[in-house]
Amino acid sequence: AQSVTQPDIHITVSEGASLELRCNYSYGATPYLFWYVQSPGQGLQLLLKYFSGDTLVQGIKGFEAEFKRSQSSFNLRKPSVHWSDAAEYFCAVEPGNEKLTFGTGTRLTIIP
Amino acid sequence: EAQVTQNPRYLITVTGKKLTVTCSQNMNHEYMSWYRQDPGLGLRQIYYSMNVEVTDKGDVPEGYKVSRKEKRNFPLILESPSPNQTSLYFCASMGRVTYEQYFGPGTRLTVT
Repeated sequence: AQSVTQPDIHITVSEGASLELRCNYSYGATPYLFWYVQSPGQGLQLLLKYFSGDTLVQGIKGFEAEFKRSQSSFNLRKPSVHWSDAAEYFCAVEPGNEKLTFGTGTRLTIIP
Repeated sequence: EAQVTQNPRYLITVTGKKLTVTCSQNMNHEYMSWYRQDPGLGLRQIYYSMNVEVTDKGDVPEGYKVSRKEKRNFPLILESPSPNQTSLYFCASMGRVTYEQYFGPGTRLTVT
């Protein structure tokens, strides 16, 4: 069955440390790939997306993600996190049918 | 400003009392969608609409209805709400050029 997996429910990192959030998908072909962020009490905001081409994509707020076809992964990274990055992060895929499927999310906590 | 609006933002109601959550977008998007967000389950699609008068079921449509009489509006109708529909609901619209979904601020519904 087609699915999106975010294996980490909750991650805690220190302010200034690097961050990597994992996302794996299971689809027959390479889907469109997205990362969204949800700050507390807010809606979802698009961080970045991958359709094709360069497998390293840059997004807003200093985030980047790398698509690895061989691993069916689209991991989100940031070299140095800020306290304002504390939020919930969702990976999502769209396999070409305009239907977006979300992972279950990773909650990020930042400690001073 | 491009935006998706939802009303109401918060709603407490009783079992069986019909309610409607409105959704409106000002971006002339053809595609609109409703999601519910529950802890540990991420966002799950309830219904979506590819255009005016065209709607289809998502992953969790039971107990919900939608209509799309105008391009900008996509209301979600709960004809007989039950406690298991207590959730956070998001409306979204998408442009077919960028495939970026824009989310509303959410409606927190409690059914007692």
